[in-house]
Amino acid sequence: GAVVSQHPSWVICKSGTSVKIECRSLDFQATTMFWYRQFPKQSLMLMATSNEGSKATYEQGVEKDKFLINHASLTLSTLTVTSAHPEDSSFYICSARADVELVTDTQYFGPGTRLTVL
Amino acid sequence: GQNIDQPTEMTATEGAIVQINCTYQTSGFNGLFWYQQHAGEAPTFLSYNVLDGLEEKGRFSSFLSRSKGYIYLLLKELQMKDSASYLCAPLDSNYQLIWGAGTKLIIKP
Repeated sequence: GAVVSQHPSWVICKSGTSVKIECRSLDFQATTMFWYRQFPKQSLMLMATSNEGSKATYEQGVEKDKFLINHASLTLSTLTVTSAHPEDSSFYICSARADVELVTDTQYFGPGTRLTVL
Repeated sequence: GQNIDQPTEMTATEGAIVQINCTYQTSGFNGLFWYQQHAGEAPTFLSYNVLDGLEEKGRFSSFLSRSKGYIYLLLKELQMKDSASYLCAPLDSNYQLIWGAGTKLIIKP
């Protein structure tokens, strides 16, 4: 159990375009999902906390108009990188926290999406 | 402030035992997670400690001392596939995970 999927696994796009990344909890409901970004050889950086049915909570320094988050159901959250630029190239990882405790407050991670902006 | 301190890199031999130490300072404490992250992949959950003492899970065990702000992860019978980064991540009073840079573990034959 506790499987989280992400789509796409990798994407290459031109500067100025928008990219949508999907995060799904496959076998559990997740009121809360998290979006992280990780640059090479650096630690995970939390971008935002996504709550089903309400607005996401963004970390300081993360532009909410650039990184649009929608958590429309208990199993799906999406991150849209709008007007992507080369500096947005990174490894984007989502995680989901099970509503029913599997292990208290454990976050289960998706496989990540590697974004390259040309 | 919130801080996590663990070694940047460790090397061990296949079949041996290795202990990865982590000290933490957080605003409140609601448990601590260990995650394993292979290069180029997302983290995977290893263990969760909230009470003092030892938690064992197969070849991996973790020991927490809340009064000392200290936890270790012990890996036994090391295998080459254990080469990865190990992330010590405490949960603060807001139930937010605090991430450090992790310890890169290199296993040699």
